Amino acid sequence: DVKVTQSSRYLVKRTGEKVFLECVQDMDHENMFWYRQDPGLGLRLIYFSYDVKMKEKGDIPEGYSVSREKKERFSLILESASTNQTSMYLCASSFGRPYSGNTIYFGEGSWLTVV
Amino acid sequence: GQSLEQPSEVTAVEGAIVQINCTYQTSGFYGLSWYQQHDGGAPTFLSYNALDGLEETGRFSSFLSRSDSYGYLLLQELQMKDSASYFCAVSPNSGGYQKVTFGTGTKLQVIP
Repeated sequence: DVKVTQSSRYLVKRTGEKVFLECVQDMDHENMFWYRQDPGLGLRLIYFSYDVKMKEKGDIPEGYSVSREKKERFSLILESASTNQTSMYLCASSFGRPYSGNTIYFGEGSWLTVV
Repeated sequence: GQSLEQPSEVTAVEGAIVQINCTYQTSGFYGLSWYQQHDGGAPTFLSYNALDGLEETGRFSSFLSRSDSYGYLLLQELQMKDSASYFCAVSPNSGGYQKVTFGTGTKLQVIP
């Protein structure tokens, strides 16, 4: 089974803190993603990476950055956390096969509260 | 850009059939996918339609009509464990297939 593991399930951080969310996948997938999930808004793509050291902005990249130094690991960084970044963050990965559906495998999510 | 609309909530009776619709406005995509997410859990892949028509996987079926910009997920013989949120999603065929857009999700409640 594909496994996407997020290092922290629940975090509480203070406004202005730097926050790191870590994610590891074990299936040698090319693509990795960070999504944010909020009630009524569905899943929104923050950033994705299609290769080591490569990254692309998603739909809502403002206030976030990412790092992919190794193929299996993708980190989301909040440089200066704000209360409007309180949300659930989902890491995901997929093979590079757009014609066959690009099935995305998600981690369990990280619930971040910024106070 | 991509925009996918789904009903926010649906309630159905155990053992019945329910259809969850997804209408979209998109400039072009490879296919329509469906994901299931139980409360507190990770979204998991259910089905994928690359072509128009019906795809069946056990109790679940998914349909796509590109000419009508419409798709649906059909759940038969509903079970209590089917209570979850369901998301449709498209992978664009330009600007990066990885930029998958998800619908806003439909919360299905199955009642006895």
